[in-house]
Amino acid sequence: AQKVTQAQTEISVVEKEDVTLDCVYETRDTTYYLFWYKQPPSGELVFLIRRNSFDEQNEISGRYSWNFQKSTSSFNFTITASQVVDSAVYFCALSAPSGGTSYGKLTFGQGTILTVHP
Amino acid sequence: DVKVTQSSRYLVKRTGEKVFLECVQDMDHENMFWYRQDPGLGLRLIYFSYDVKMKEKGDIPEGYSVSREKKERFSLILESASTNQTSMYLCASSPLGQKNTEAFFGQGTRLTVV
Repeated sequence: AQKVTQAQTEISVVEKEDVTLDCVYETRDTTYYLFWYKQPPSGELVFLIRRNSFDEQNEISGRYSWNFQKSTSSFNFTITASQVVDSAVYFCALSAPSGGTSYGKLTFGQGTILTVHP
Repeated sequence: DVKVTQSSRYLVKRTGEKVFLECVQDMDHENMFWYRQDPGLGLRLIYFSYDVKMKEKGDIPEGYSVSREKKERFSLILESASTNQTSMYLCASSPLGQKNTEAFFGQGTRLTVV
């Protein structure tokens, strides 16, 4: 069975602090894809990043960075110098063949509510 | 701009009513999905469809049905709404066969059953 765990339910930081959101996943597949989505108060999920299981290179995009470690089945997300606009719910998700008939199905974590105070 | 549009942002329905949630996408995607979002549980898949008139159950299909008569439209049906179906419902779409693509989401429908 596939599973994604985001152990941090809520995180509260002050602006300009760095914050890391944890994500741990379980799958028996050797090929799979991992995603991070942001859900601002407006409700729509916004895609942030995808990573396939063969690419363990870390990625940086502006203030955002992602650390993928297959050895620990983790795909953590760090926001550097957080801003009030980063306040949102963040979801980690997994897509793998054993999860369904096509790669389109996503298994989501519980989500982490991030609040950045001015 | 690619778009997934859900017909309502907020809905209030009475227990026992038949409820239709509509979703339309303009990206010519084969896959469409209905998720339910509850605090502490994340998003859970209700049903998905990979082609017109094709559907498969997700993780929590009980109490729901779906309809896909046209490629761009995917409807979620609550045959007899109950208070435990009060939730946020999210529709998504993605192209078939592209293994690494992300899903595109609508803005969500917050349904309250009273």
